[in-house]
Amino acid sequence: GAVVSQHPSRVICKSGTSVKIECRSLDFQATTMFWYRQFPKQSLMLMATSNEGSKATYEQGVEKDKFLINHASLTLSTLTVTSAHPEDSSFYICSASGTAGRSNQPQHFGDGTRLSIL
Amino acid sequence: AQKITQTQPGMFVQEKEAVTLDCTYDTSDPSYGLFWYKQPSSGEMIFLIYQGSYDQQNATEGRYSLNFQKARKSANLVISASQLGDSAMYFCAMRRFYSSASKIIFGSGTRLSIRP
Repeated sequence: GAVVSQHPSRVICKSGTSVKIECRSLDFQATTMFWYRQFPKQSLMLMATSNEGSKATYEQGVEKDKFLINHASLTLSTLTVTSAHPEDSSFYICSASGTAGRSNQPQHFGDGTRLSIL
Repeated sequence: AQKITQTQPGMFVQEKEAVTLDCTYDTSDPSYGLFWYKQPSSGEMIFLIYQGSYDQQNATEGRYSLNFQKARKSANLVISASQLGDSAMYFCAMRRFYSSASKIIFGSGTRLSIRP
């Protein structure tokens, strides 16, 4: 079946560092990818919708200059947390939809990235 | 605006019993899709089952079935013959429109614990 690969699975870095997270669709072309953030014991919060070849659409309250999204190809989207601070520590997870556009296609999720900023 | 409500933050069920996880939703869209995902402690999101708003029959996938009551705007997940491996967070989700490119919103989740 369809697979989404997310890398890295875990990052620990110092405050002020920028961190890039990759999300790849391995066996299908993903015209749309989604980035979520999840705090412990909470639900997934949609941060932004990434469309191949165009600017990402950010949800209200999400800082686009803090969370840079690039979707340069049909198989890769990246999320860069710029100048990360401890409050950016969270579980980040991406998902992807294929090009067929049928309603019953589930979003396929990556395994997530656990980001810890010291 | 769309909204997903899961009123059970946590549930304990004896192994081999059936369990129902509640989900209600609110939308003014005539077309939408409903999903259930399982998230074990390792964090990955596992797709379980899908129900389209125009589907006439309730969806079933192995031990999972979705009790879809459109007039009540509910989409409860039923797990039959629960197993220890079913212990996880379960999220109900809704996608607007009949398009896989539409964003999905999630409910707050239910933590299911299966007792041996």
